[in-house]
Parts: sequence; C-alpha cells; structure tokens
Amino acid sequence: DIQMTQSPSSLSASVGDRVTITCRASQSISGSLHWYQQKPGKAPKLLIYAASSLQSGVPSRFSGSGSGTHFTLTISSLQPEDFATYYCQQSYSTPQTFGQGTKLEIK
Amino acid sequence: EVQLVESGGGLVKPGGSLRLSCAASGFTFNNAWMSWVRQAPGKGLEWVGRTKSKTDGGTTDYAAPVKDRFTISRDDSKNTLYLQMNSLKAEDTAVYYCTTVSRSSGYYAKYWGQGTLVTVSS
Repeated sequence: DIQMTQSPSSLSASVGDRVTITCRASQSISGSLHWYQQKPGKAPKLLIYAASSLQSGVPSRFSGSGSGTHFTLTISSLQPEDFATYYCQQSYSTPQTFGQGTKLEIK
Repeated sequence: EVQLVESGGGLVKPGGSLRLSCAASGFTFNNAWMSWVRQAPGKGLEWVGRTKSKTDGGTTDYAAPVKDRFTISRDDSKNTLYLQMNSLKAEDTAVYYCTTVSRSSGYYAKYWGQGTLVTVSS
C-alpha cells in the first residue's frame, strides 16, 4: 500500500497568515493527489483534486501543487473559517490512502 | 443538488452484522462510482472500499482490514448504496461516510454524506 505522510501534524497560525501543509507519498503517485478539509462534527469537503485543481466554490486562497511524491496545500491568507483539519489522499492505486491529517489551530 | 443520506448505524456486539444504506439523489446514480470512507472516534480518515458503475463492470475493491468481512453493493433501481458488515470488531467502530467518486482527473470523493455512527461493543 502507498503510505501518505503529512507534515506538520498540527499547526498554530493567525488570521492573515500564509500556511503550507506538506504531503509525501511513499512512492510516485503522479498527480493523483487530493486535499480535503474537515471541521469538527462535519463530513470532509473536497478542496483540491489532481494536485492543483481547485474544486468549484472553494476560495482562491487555497492552492495545491506538486507531483510524484511531494505535494503541498497552501492557504495564502488564513480566514477564521479555515481553522480545521486537512487531509491528503492518493488515488493512484487501491487501496486509496489518506494522510494522517493536519490540524490547523488558531494562535 | 447532490444528496447522500446514510442510515443503519447503531450499536452492535463483536461478531455481529450490520447493513448500512446510502440514499442518493441529485445525480445519475447508475453511472456513478461510489465509495465508503470511515473515521474512528478522534482519528483520521480511512478508505473502506469502492464500487464501479455496472456499465464500468460493477467491480468492487476493499481495504485490507475489511476485505472478506464487508461487502459493498448497490441497487440502481432504488438509487441506494449498501455496506454489509459482518464479523464486526471493536476496531470497526467509526463514522461511516458514503461518497461519490469523481473520475475526471483522478478518482476522488467529490460529494459526502453526513455519516452514520457504528459502535461495536459488548
């Protein structure tokens, strides 16, 4: 199975900050990497698919990049509603696997 | 508007069985690939398995921890996805989400249900 490792596991930041979350795959997954946001008690929400494509309706302050084994999710200017947990997922091969999550907290 | 509504969760004893349902609306269900994802309390997301549309072969894939115990099926006439869970273990305790699987530019969970909680305990 392909292992997905996110860093950091948690992150404290302030409104207006630029933050970057990293996701690494244990082998090349080309561009088959997707990002989700989850708020407490809610279902996850798709943010970015295919490494860098912004899902419709998602604010443009979210962006994704990378290919192969190294990927990043960047939030250009944090807003209060962005404090949540973020997960990456690979769909290059089954079983599809998720990263362990990155909890973004208010500083 | 796409809606996915899971049901069937509850408390079950170890070794027991449970069937989850996911009622879908707002899209052409019989053309859709669907998946189940679970989340144990306080933990991360875990992919459970996926079913392709019948026109794409209708095959299913499962994660190793549930293979041979869980079965994903679908009734296209009822726009409903199922997850039959047998030989349940304590570690199967989780919120179970059904999702649509988008196939443009990869295979990702585009729409999610609200989830249903399964608790396996004696």
